[in-house]
Amino acid sequence: SQKIEQNSEALNIQEGKTATLTCNYTNYSPAYLQWYRQDPGRGPVFLLLIRENEKEKRKERLKVTFDTTLKQSLFHITASQPADSATYLCALDRATDSWGKLQFGAGTQVVVTP
Amino acid sequence: ETGVTQSPTHLIKTRGQQVTLRCSSQSGHNTVSWYQQALGQGPQFIFQYYREEENGRGNFPPRFSGLQFPNYSSELNVNALELDDSALYLCASSSPRGTSGDNEQFFGPGTRLTVL
Repeated sequence: SQKIEQNSEALNIQEGKTATLTCNYTNYSPAYLQWYRQDPGRGPVFLLLIRENEKEKRKERLKVTFDTTLKQSLFHITASQPADSATYLCALDRATDSWGKLQFGAGTQVVVTP
Repeated sequence: ETGVTQSPTHLIKTRGQQVTLRCSSQSGHNTVSWYQQALGQGPQFIFQYYREEENGRGNFPPRFSGLQFPNYSSELNVNALELDDSALYLCASSSPRGTSGDNEQFFGPGTRLTVL
């Protein structure tokens, strides 16, 4: 079965620096890979989606890369701010037949200090 | 804030009891998925409803069941509650297939279930 691995240790980073999170998966290559942000006690919030035929996607200060050979996605937050402190989840979707039946990693907590 | 609402926000039950959780999807969304999130873990897919029919199920026993109504709202029912059922239960809605390129899921705030 598919396994999704994210850094289990919290990422502590200084304001203004770039935070880089990894998401590794085994087995099948997903049609979509999504990144979500989750604050304590709240539901996840969608950030970015990247398709299997895309290498990179950007949205404001966020950047996602997808390497199907390495079976890895990297998620970057540039010019990080304390408001970026949250847990970031990656999620895979086979999409051809699943349409939103996401498989999530355990998430990586990011702490941005002033 | 998404347009997805869930009720109740918190619930305490004892082992063996039954529980019903409710979800109202975002306007125009006809697909609702339910997830269970244990503390410190990512959400685990329970099942999905599309046009009032179950459309896929994760690795959860039959005592987890659901419904979707004509207005696309949904219920999650759990019978014979066990201690391990304590978790945050999330529902997510998404737009009709083929109308949104990104298939993003809009999550509600969740229901925190504690089983004693």
